[in-house]
Amino acid sequence: AQTVTQSQPEMSVQEAETVTLSCTYDTSESDYYLFWYKQPPSRQMILVIRQEAYKQQNATENRFSVNFQKAAKSFSLKISDSQLGDAAMYFCAYRSASGGTSYGKLTFGQGTILTVHP
Amino acid sequence: SQTIHQWPATLVQPVGSPLSLECTVEGTSNPNLYWYRQAAGRGLQLLFYSVGIGQISSEVPQNLSASRPQDRQFILSSKKLLLSDSGFYLCAWSSQNYTFGSGTRLTVV
Repeated sequence: AQTVTQSQPEMSVQEAETVTLSCTYDTSESDYYLFWYKQPPSRQMILVIRQEAYKQQNATENRFSVNFQKAAKSFSLKISDSQLGDAAMYFCAYRSASGGTSYGKLTFGQGTILTVHP
Repeated sequence: SQTIHQWPATLVQPVGSPLSLECTVEGTSNPNLYWYRQAAGRGLQLLFYSVGIGQISSEVPQNLSASRPQDRQFILSSKKLLLSDSGFYLCAWSSQNYTFGSGTRLTVV
């Protein structure tokens, strides 16, 4: 079974600075997807960024980028120019790309609470 | 466009009472549907998933059950709630990405 580990329960950053959230995962599969989700106080789950394991290029979405190290099974999220609205719980998640009964299920890490200081 | 509706948003129920949470999806057919639970301050745990009408798979043993009476309807139920059933419940459907509902905050008292 796949596992996802976020070793930082809490992180903080000054507004306009950069912060990196860590995530490691364990899997025996070669084809999968990795995600970062943001959960603000409203508790709505918002997709931040997605990475396909077969792609070597790191995904980017505006101020958000990832450092995907497949061999190390590491998937960190970098937030540049942090804004007050970035404050939230961030979850790393894994999803198999294979078919069968495991297809589509997301396995989440425990989350990292990000605080942004003005 | 695809949308997902989940209700109610908040629910306070006494121990031993029944539960029914409903989730419906619009704008897609034959979606994979999921129920997740999030305990306070923790990650999401998959409870049930369904790949079609009447097809339910359970991920963890528990006091809850799920049903899919229609293609785009997914229901989470319990006959008798326990205190440990309190939490935040999220419905989701997936194609290439996941789309989550807005969640139900359940407090069992």
